Amino acid sequence: AQKITQTQPGMFVQEKEAVTLDCTYDTSDPSYGLFWYKQPSSGEMIFLIYQGSYDQQNATEGRYSLNFQKARKSANLVISASQLGDSAMYFCAMREKSGYSTLTFGKGTMLLVSP
Amino acid sequence: GAGVSQSPSNKVTEKGKDVELRCDPISGHTALYWYRQRLGQGLEFLIYFQGNSAPDKSGLPSDRFSAERTGESVSTLTIQRTQQEDSAVYLCASSLDSTSGETQYFGPGTRLLVL
Repeated sequence: AQKITQTQPGMFVQEKEAVTLDCTYDTSDPSYGLFWYKQPSSGEMIFLIYQGSYDQQNATEGRYSLNFQKARKSANLVISASQLGDSAMYFCAMREKSGYSTLTFGKGTMLLVSP
Repeated sequence: GAGVSQSPSNKVTEKGKDVELRCDPISGHTALYWYRQRLGQGLEFLIYFQGNSAPDKSGLPSDRFSAERTGESVSTLTIQRTQQEDSAVYLCASSLDSTSGETQYFGPGTRLLVL
């Protein structure tokens, strides 16, 4: 079974609108971390936001927020007020305590922001 | 700069040749990771170094792949007798340590093309 599932290969959004990118995960570890990275066409991986499994509140970083629903094992990324520069691939990743050396990545969602 | 750096940016080689990829982590980061990203895919973990501990090589796809790290600094990933399926972007990341909440920061990657 896949550990990280991103069901949306591509998403379109208009500038200034909000968009939600889906991510579900599978783990039996009680302690884990969830990450979102952005990869623009230039190729670098840019860290956006982190949510720990024991964090009581949803993580927020500027226009990014993480809708963490632990019982449903989902960690959706919400981007508010989309900008043209948000067009990129977005990857959800998980780090489990038992395998805390590595990140397991989903296949990504391509976001295109139109004017 | 203060980020993770990788060299070369791009490498074109002939099938059967050996290649060496280099990663300079962020100063002070004890953990270093190598990932591979095939075209249109997410990242696959290859190998991980934490301080002076034995590296976690569980992600290396074959014995043609090896990596070394000098102390807590530079790492080189070596691919011997390259094959066309080795063509990918090889990404290096570093983090302060290897705990589940510690963010990994990525370099720009090396784009390897095996002809």
